[in-house]
Amino acid sequence: DTGVSQDPRHKITKRGQNVTFRCDPISEHNRLYWYRQTLGQGPEFLTYFQNEAQLEKSRLLSDRFSAERPKGSFSTLEIQRTEQGDSAMYLCASSYPSRINEQFFGPGTRLTVL
Amino acid sequence: TQLLEQSPQFLSIQEGENLTVYCNSSSVFSSLQWYRQEPGEGPVLLVTVVTGGEVKKLKRLTFQFGDARKDSSLHITAAQPGDTGLYLCAGRLTDRGSQGNLIFGKGTKLSVKP
Repeated sequence: DTGVSQDPRHKITKRGQNVTFRCDPISEHNRLYWYRQTLGQGPEFLTYFQNEAQLEKSRLLSDRFSAERPKGSFSTLEIQRTEQGDSAMYLCASSYPSRINEQFFGPGTRLTVL
Repeated sequence: TQLLEQSPQFLSIQEGENLTVYCNSSSVFSSLQWYRQEPGEGPVLLVTVVTGGEVKKLKRLTFQFGDARKDSSLHITAAQPGDTGLYLCAGRLTDRGSQGNLIFGKGTKLSVKP
């Protein structure tokens, strides 16, 4: 199966620690998106890349958050100095640039900040 | 303010019943997508509708996009326990310059009892 993969699936950390998540998109997709989903809510857009260029960032993406896609393939999302409010499911999705309506999601990384 | 309102929020029915869930907005969308999400997993794309008045069928699921492209519905015929999950609608607005931002509703949590 060549779907979107994310690692780790679960992360528990203490407040103040840094965490990094990885996303591997579907190989033919050059658009990659990050979303955050909290309990009882739908996913909320954070940022997206076309190839290695980060083209849009939501105001939800505070200064403590940084995302990279250095070679236009996998992406990482880092959260520095985690806070309890960062606890959420972090979802990655990918799409073809010509079919941006159809975003395919990975299984997510569940972050718990104690 | 939620741009996409989904109703009902929760729905519990018996196997074999029919149901309809709704996704409404006061804004016009260039397209709407329906996803199904199971606990601890990422959303799975079911369908994309792009033309006002469009109807798409996927086995026992029927999706409709409103004529004005502000609303959509999902109808399930003869629901089965395997249909249990969170149904999310998502879309891109026509009046935004964003090329990446999918806006999600909060979802309808469906439970089908055997």
